[in-house]
Parts: sequence; structure tokens; C-alpha cells
Amino acid sequence: EAGVVQSPRYKIIEKKQPVAFWCNPISGHNTLYWYRQNLGQGPELLIRYENEEAVDDSQLPKDRFSAERLKGVDSTLKIQPAELGDSAVYLCASSSGLAGSYNEQFFGPGTRLTVL
Amino acid sequence: SQQGEEDPQALSIQEGENATMNCSYKTSINNLQWYRQNSGRGLVHLILIRSNEREKHSGRLRVTLDTSKKSSSLLITASRAADTASYFCATAAGSNYKLTFGKGTLLTVNP
Repeated sequence: EAGVVQSPRYKIIEKKQPVAFWCNPISGHNTLYWYRQNLGQGPELLIRYENEEAVDDSQLPKDRFSAERLKGVDSTLKIQPAELGDSAVYLCASSSGLAGSYNEQFFGPGTRLTVL
Repeated sequence: SQQGEEDPQALSIQEGENATMNCSYKTSINNLQWYRQNSGRGLVHLILIRSNEREKHSGRLRVTLDTSKKSSSLLITASRAADTASYFCATAAGSNYKLTFGKGTLLTVNP
């Protein structure tokens, strides 16, 4: 069974440019998460989807970040415009089941973003 | 914001030795999980311990949880070079079991 797929694996852009990350969760997983991991830190949740609905986006900087999960399968996270402080690894994870109970999260390899 | 804080930040041991990492957290939890992250890779779930459990084993891993002290420890016995990685504790809290990660412990196992 394929794991969580993310692309690209690496991205280098100039500040003020837009960038997008793509995630394909494990088949059948209806919950999808985007995390940001700064260097030397643990991941921090940006947004959680249950099917198509964003049920927790309290940590998403909405002035420049946006996300979508059309059809409740794969998802795109966008930054526009990117700032130097956005350099980080962006991780996608998925789990089966819905909130209200524990469901193991499976993580993708991440996209390492460098903003110059 | 980070809930868990791992200690030490970095640990270097010889192959065959045991490695112990600690995690402290601040609020009530549903469960506590430990993850491993190899350089440049995603996180891999290692073990979960529920708030009503005190100790759990999985292969060479042993996890303890002390909810009165809001702390947990991860013991890796008979370490191998392949155990070299960053280890994170993550607490699941609230009705949504939201995960909050610590900053991690970088473990280096020297051959």
C-alpha cells in the first residue's frame, strides 16, 4: 500500500513568489493534516481536513496561506507571497476515521521549502 | 505552540547501549505518542500510551507515563546505528485528539 505522497520534495523560491505543495493521502483516509516544521523544532499543525471540510485552521496564517481539498482526496497548500520566515519543511499526514477518537497519523516525506 | 519538551536535546551513545529520552508536557492529555524522524524524511509512529496506562513495551522500546508529573520517558534498549534519528513526543488532547509535538531529541548511535 502506498504511503502519503507529497510533491515536490524540495522547492527554492525568491521571496514574494507564490508556491504550492501537493499531497495525496493514503487511500481511504478521510482526515488530512498539513504541518509546518521549522528547523530544530517539532511539527506544528496548520490545518486539518475531514473529507472536504477544514475543521481546524486556527494555526493557518490566512493572510498568505490557503489550502484546499477538493473532492476530499488530495490537497494543495499554497503560500502567496512567500516570506523568508516561511522556509521550513511542510508535512502532510492522513488518518482514517474522524475526530473524537484516536486514529494514527501517517506522515509523508515532506516538502522542504527554501525562500531566498 | 509546543506542548511537549524533550530532554536532552541531543544524545550520543555507543551501539549496544541504552538510550533514554524524556518528555514533559503542560496540560491534560488523552494519550502521548513517540515518533522517529530520520534526516530528510517524514515522521514514523513508534508507540502510543494512553493517559490511563503507566508503561508500554514494543520490541526494544519501553515507554512510561506519569500523569501526576506530566512526563513520559522513552527507553531504547540495545541501540543500533540505525536508531540514529530525531525522536519526538506528541501529546493528543481535547475532543479532537489534536497532536502537539515537542522539539525533539537528536539521538546519535555510534558504531
